[in-house]
Amino acid sequence: DGGITQSPKYLFRKEGQNVTLSCEQNLNHDAMYWYRQDPGQGLRLIYYSHIVNDFQKGDIAEGYSVSREKKESFPLTVTSAQKNPTAFYLCASSIGQKAFNEQYFGPGTRLTVT
Amino acid sequence: SQQGEEDPQALSIQEGENATMNCSYKTSINNLQWYRQNSGRGLVHLILIRSNEREKHSGRLRVTLDTSKKSSSLLITASRAADTASYFCATDSGAGSYQLTFGKGTKLSVIP
Repeated sequence: DGGITQSPKYLFRKEGQNVTLSCEQNLNHDAMYWYRQDPGQGLRLIYYSHIVNDFQKGDIAEGYSVSREKKESFPLTVTSAQKNPTAFYLCASSIGQKAFNEQYFGPGTRLTVT
Repeated sequence: SQQGEEDPQALSIQEGENATMNCSYKTSINNLQWYRQNSGRGLVHLILIRSNEREKHSGRLRVTLDTSKKSSSLLITASRAADTASYFCATDSGAGSYQLTFGKGTKLSVIP
């Protein structure tokens, strides 16, 4: 049963705390992505990775960090420097690096910071 | 930067009717994709249309692309209550690009 898993589904944190969101895929995809979605908005790209041990900033990388130590895993850390972290976070993967490849999405993690 | 913009923002139709949503974009593209998102879930890829294609079909879905007007439309025929979801267009920024840029989406409600 292949796919992308994100955990947890809901996450609550106090302001000032760092929090790490998990994303795992068993599709053997090279590329992985993190997006943020706010209510009534489209997806905005935070970070992406095309290969292990390499990743690139997206449009809104400030206050976030990632790692890609394994092909299957691409965790996202929301740091205390992120001014407005409450959002729905979506992880995705694709078989290749280019934008014409279909992206497969996980179920998302809803983060609430109070 | 927002590349694709969907129109309308929300659409409510009766089951069995057709639903049409539009996407406009600003810069030249190589491909345009449409995705669907059920409430509170991840996105699911529906269809990809290349810049040299004008129309593409997949089941009850029909996508058109007009590169001269920088616009695309998604038509869902004979809609069902299960089609209720948000629909997003996603564009690249030309050949060789690595990123997709998503619009804000059209929220479709199909009333049984």
